[in-house]
Amino acid sequence: DAKTTQPNSMESNEEEPVHLPCNHSTISGTDYIHWYRQLPSQGPEYVIHGLTSNVNNRMASLAIAEDRKSSTLILHRATLRDAAVYYCILRDVGRDDKIIFGKGTRLHILP
Amino acid sequence: SAVISQKPSRDICQRGTSLTIQCQVDSQVTMMFWYRQQPGQSLTLIATANQGSEATYESGFVIDKFPISRPNLTFSTLTVSNMSPEDSSIYLCSVEVPRGPTDTQYFGPGTRLTVL
Repeated sequence: DAKTTQPNSMESNEEEPVHLPCNHSTISGTDYIHWYRQLPSQGPEYVIHGLTSNVNNRMASLAIAEDRKSSTLILHRATLRDAAVYYCILRDVGRDDKIIFGKGTRLHILP
Repeated sequence: SAVISQKPSRDICQRGTSLTIQCQVDSQVTMMFWYRQQPGQSLTLIATANQGSEATYESGFVIDKFPISRPNLTFSTLTVSNMSPEDSSIYLCSVEVPRGPTDTQYFGPGTRLTVL
């Protein structure tokens, strides 16, 4: 799996948007960008994924740079429940099925 | 999607003993994975377990220490053998579910193991 770089931690105020960055300068053309998050005392959960175009779902939005060397996970209105570790992961399922987790970004939400 | 349960949810064990962790999925899946998460750390993949074949272990993990069974498409076990305090971790299983051209993984709640 190609390497990703994320800030160790971030803070945001409740009910405000959060932009979580991820750099992946060595991404290959067939790598999908996946985001997972791990809430306290739980296993990780899938958030969103994309290849080239921006993606939206009920949990978040994923903005992918035109050169695909970076992406941003956007939580439109953070709640206290969004406090978690967020992992940005590249996956080329044609090459390998396993997920290798980096250290992720620990997101703190301030009430 | 997939719903995964693990047993036990937590345990406290004596060094030198072994513990078997069970992972049950509510649907048939081909690929299952076992991870370890040490306190304050990220997840580390232990092995990939496919039904009908031997588990594939990652560097630093060996079958004698972490034997894995995968008897069918909904169940797997991970045994932590001859435990030491360094094995104190959360152990998680996950499954791979197809999602369009790519796949996503669903994780169990984890088994918190403390070795005294």
